Amino acid sequence: NAGVTQTPKFRVLKTGQSMTLLCAQDMNHEYMYWYRQDPGMGLRLIHYSVGEGTTAKGEVPDGYNVSRLKKQNFLLGLESAAPSQTSVYFCASNPGLAGDQETQYFGPGTRLLVL
Amino acid sequence: AQSVTQPDIHITVSEGASLELRCNYSYGATPYLFWYVQSPGQGLQLLLKYFSGDTLVQGIKGFEAEFKRSQSSFNLRKPSVHWSDAAEYFCAVGGYSSASKIIFGSGTRLSIRP
Repeated sequence: NAGVTQTPKFRVLKTGQSMTLLCAQDMNHEYMYWYRQDPGMGLRLIHYSVGEGTTAKGEVPDGYNVSRLKKQNFLLGLESAAPSQTSVYFCASNPGLAGDQETQYFGPGTRLLVL
Repeated sequence: AQSVTQPDIHITVSEGASLELRCNYSYGATPYLFWYVQSPGQGLQLLLKYFSGDTLVQGIKGFEAEFKRSQSSFNLRKPSVHWSDAAEYFCAVGGYSSASKIIFGSGTRLSIRP
């Protein structure tokens, strides 16, 4: 199993450009999450999903949108990138009600630089 | 509201020395507690977790943590550190959300002195 994978690994954007980050998991997990990591602030939850077709806002959702059209994929979109969105983005998944409900499994991260 | 505090931003210890990383949480009920490790340029790996039962929890790589309800703490320990333990360590709390959300502390960066 590949676990949780993220695409791309690194990206540079200009202010105002858009992009989509892809997270994929092959563990048949129900729950998925997007975090951003900034120095000295740990990981903060952007959006999450508890199943295919569902999404919800986390702690810092402004400027981001998400979609979960397929159970194994969770997309994070930036419609108009801003320098404040320069960060490292992590995706995570969790088995949900069917398994170890409280443990999240993380992808390797996407480093985004907005100029 | 739930929160996690890691009071030490950066710690340096000598190789072979013992280690204790501090974590304090705020949560009204019995929490689920986690320690994750992040090596440079990598994602987060679960070291150990506490849900219930024995308050001393063993994890991978020789780490352990002790849940102390009276002190609202979940400190991470290792008796003898190795150079490969240099990384950032995050404490997290969960158990409050039906969506299994967790809240992370700000992290402690561990450096190892040769």
